[in-house]
This record gives sequence, structure tokens and C-alpha cells, in this order.
Amino acid sequence: NAGVTQTPKFRVLKTGQSMTLLCAQDMNHEYMYWYRQDPGMGLRLIHYSVGEGTTAKGEVPDGYNVSRLKKQNFLLGLESAAPSQTSVYFCASSYTPGSGLGGTDTQYFGPGTRLTVL
Amino acid sequence: GDSVTQMEGPVTLSEEAFLTINCTYTATGYPSLFWYVQYPGEGLQLLLKATKADDKGSNKGFEATYRKETTSFHLEKGSVQVSDSAVYFCALSNQGGADGLTFGKGTHLIIQP
Repeated sequence: NAGVTQTPKFRVLKTGQSMTLLCAQDMNHEYMYWYRQDPGMGLRLIHYSVGEGTTAKGEVPDGYNVSRLKKQNFLLGLESAAPSQTSVYFCASSYTPGSGLGGTDTQYFGPGTRLTVL
Repeated sequence: GDSVTQMEGPVTLSEEAFLTINCTYTATGYPSLFWYVQYPGEGLQLLLKATKADDKGSNKGFEATYRKETTSFHLEKGSVQVSDSAVYFCALSNQGGADGLTFGKGTHLIIQP
């Protein structure tokens, strides 16, 4: 099992450019999440998905869009990048909470994407 | 809303010293509590967890006890090693974790030989 993988690992954008970050998991997890990590801020939830075809907003969703067309993939899009979106982005996935599978609530994280917006 | 407060570092210790990283939380209901560890250049890994009051999570010599009366989940290790150098995050999930984890800001731990 590869677990949770993220593409790309690094990216530099200019203000106003767009890009898509890809997250893939091979654990058959229903739930997937996108977080951003900023110095001194911990991780903050951007968007999440509770299943194929569904998405929901997290704590800091502005400026981002997401899609979950396939169960194993969760895409994070930036339509018009801004310097405030310079961050490290982490994807995570989990079994359905309460399902009794894999331990309640445990999330599995990818290695991260470091994005710089100039 | 839910929140997690943990001591901010960096925390610098000598090898074989005793470690405590404090974590307190504010949440409604009965959250699950977690410690995640992030090694340099890597993603987060679950270190240990506890899902109800008085539960003790343990892994790799680390321990933390879910104390509902003090709303705390302090991380401890009796004898740290250089390889324990990392950033440690305390986190909680509520409502079964369906809407993600709430993280503390992280504690950077540096162990010197």
C-alpha cells in the first residue's frame, strides 16, 4: 500500500496563476481532507469530503475549490493564487468515523506539497 | 468552537531527559484526543490517541492520559533520544471526526546528544 500520496511535492506560482493539487489514497477510505500548515498556526482544515461526489467547507475555504469525482482522489484547486496561499498543504484520509474500521477517528496523512506564490 | 492549546517551543532537552509537552483543550461533548508527530520534511504520523476519559494512549515509549476533569492530554516520555527530535501536534476530533481534526500549533522538540 502506498497510503496517501500527493502531487506535486513542490510548486512555485506567480500571483493570479491557477493550479491543482492531487491527493490519492489506496486504503478505500470514505473520508478525505485538505489542510494547510503555516508557521505558528498548526494545521487548519480547508475542505473535506465524506464520500465520492461530496465536499464540504472547513475552517479556511476561501480561495480554494475541491472535487471528489473518484473515491480514491481528492483534488484541491487554486483558481487565482495569492501570496497569502503560500503554505504547506497536507491531504489526509480516514475510514468512516464510527465504522469500527482502522480505529475510530484516525487520519492518515500524505507527505505534503510546499507551495510558494510570488 | 473547539480549540487546542499546547506549549510552544522550541523545547530543547538533553538525551535521556524526561519529557512533558502540555496540551489542554476546549470542546463540547466527548472528543477523541490525539498526538501526531512530524519529522523534518515529512507528513504527520499518528503517535497515540485516546477516545474516552481516563484512557491512556501509548506508543514508542510515549504516553498521554485523557483527563476530562482538567481537559488535558499531556505527552510524556521517560527518556528521550536524539531520534525523537520532531514537531509534536496535539489534536482533537469531535462528532466522530467527520469534519476534521482541530490541531494545536505544534511544539518543536530538539534533543541534544
